[in-house]
Amino acid sequence: GQNIDQPTEMTATEGAIVQINCTYQTSGFNGLFWYQQHAGEAPTFLSYNVLDGLEEKGRFSSFLSRSKGYSYLLLKELQMKDSASYLCAVRPMTTDSWGKLQFGAGTQVVVTP
Amino acid sequence: DTAVSQTPKYLVTQMGNDKSIKCEQNLGHDTMYWYKQDSKKFLKIMFSYNNKELIINETVPNRFSPKSPDKAHLNLHINSLELGDSAVYFCASSQEVGGGYEQYFGPGTRLTVT
Repeated sequence: GQNIDQPTEMTATEGAIVQINCTYQTSGFNGLFWYQQHAGEAPTFLSYNVLDGLEEKGRFSSFLSRSKGYSYLLLKELQMKDSASYLCAVRPMTTDSWGKLQFGAGTQVVVTP
Repeated sequence: DTAVSQTPKYLVTQMGNDKSIKCEQNLGHDTMYWYKQDSKKFLKIMFSYNNKELIINETVPNRFSPKSPDKAHLNLHINSLELGDSAVYFCASSQEVGGGYEQYFGPGTRLTVT
């Protein structure tokens, strides 16, 4: 079965750093994605990790440890526009996975002035 | 230049009706998806097509029938709508199946069944 856990909500102030953790238990592993979703809008791609380590993209970084079934998304220099839901999604490796993504429930990040 | 578009954006209908949602992508992608996002914000895959062939068919009532007339279009038809079908339905596409290819999502269709 698939189980993806992430915190429900996090609050941080503008300019600060926030780390959103994601733990997963899936049937095999074939990559982990982070998406951002503003209220009432579509999810948009942030990052992809398939090997252990840190991927950095501007203010956003994503880390993966496959042995621990763990990832985090790091948001630095928070801006008000970063207030959104952040979705962790895992692609399991099964014979019928065919690109299927399993999404977590999302972490609502609230940035305060 | 809309990458993935869906129509309609909002759909309000009564129980028992049949409705369709259309999706088009102009990215030249081979793979398209339908997702359902419920009130708890869980995003769940329903179907996926690769080059017009069905490749993912999750446990979805057979009242839901996807149709892909060509690889740029993936429509979703829903028969005998029920209250529990109320949700936001997202269409998405990706260049290929698998790998690190990101999925591009459409703006969503908010379906309300009364």
